[in-house]
Amino acid sequence: KAGVTQTPRYLIKTRGQQVTLSCSPISGHRSVSWYQQTPGQGLQFLFEYFSETQRNKGNFPGRFSGRQFSNSRSEMNVSTLELGDSALYLCASSSQLTGTNYGYTFGSGTRLTVV
Amino acid sequence: AQSVAQPEDQVNVAEGNPLTVKCTYSVSGNPYLFWYVQYPNRGLQFLLKYITGDNLVKGSYGFEAEFNKSQTSFHLKKPSALVSDSALYFCAVRDGLFSGGYNKLIFGAGTRLAVHP
Repeated sequence: KAGVTQTPRYLIKTRGQQVTLSCSPISGHRSVSWYQQTPGQGLQFLFEYFSETQRNKGNFPGRFSGRQFSNSRSEMNVSTLELGDSALYLCASSSQLTGTNYGYTFGSGTRLTVV
Repeated sequence: AQSVAQPEDQVNVAEGNPLTVKCTYSVSGNPYLFWYVQYPNRGLQFLLKYITGDNLVKGSYGFEAEFNKSQTSFHLKKPSALVSDSALYFCAVRDGLFSGGYNKLIFGAGTRLAVHP
C-alpha cells in the first residue's frame, strides 16, 4: 500500500510570508501528527489530528496551525515566517485503532528554508 | 512527564562488530517504546517497537532491542554492523491516552551511528 506522502519536498520562502504543507496518510489511517525537526531542538511535536479534530498540540506559537479533511489528508500552515522556522517538517500517520498496533509511519518530510 | 534520553551523540563501530545504541526512558505507567532510523534528507523509518510481551524485540534489517524495566532502558542492538547501517537513530516513547497526551511521540535527541569499513 502507498506510504505517507508529503508535498512539496522542498520549499524556500522569505521572512514574513506564509506557507502551507500537505500530508496524505496511509489509506485507512485517521490520525495524522506533525513534527518539526531542527539541528538545535531535535524532533518536536506540533499537533495531532484525528477525524478532522485537533486532539493534541505541542508548545508552538499560534503562527503554526493545521487542519484535517474528511479524507484524512492534513495540511499545516505557518504564517509570518521567521528564520527559525527553517526545518524539516515530518508528518506521521497512524491507524489509532484499539489494540496493539500503535504504529506510526512517517513521510519523507518537507524541507522548509526561510531566507 | 514522559521522556527519553540517548546518552551518546555518536557511536563508532567497525563493520562486522556488534553495535549498541543506548536509550533510557522515564514514563508513568507502561511504556510504549520505539526505534526509528533516519538517512540523510529522508523521513523516519520504523525499526521496531515494544508494547508488551517478550523483553527482546526483533525488528527490521537485523536490529533488535532489549527492554529492561528495572533499568528503564531500551537499547538497540545488532550482532554484526554494516556500513549501510550508518545513519541517525532515534528512540521514542508514546505519550499515550493514559496521560491525556493521546497520540504523540516523544523523541530522544538522536544518536549518529558511524560504521567504518
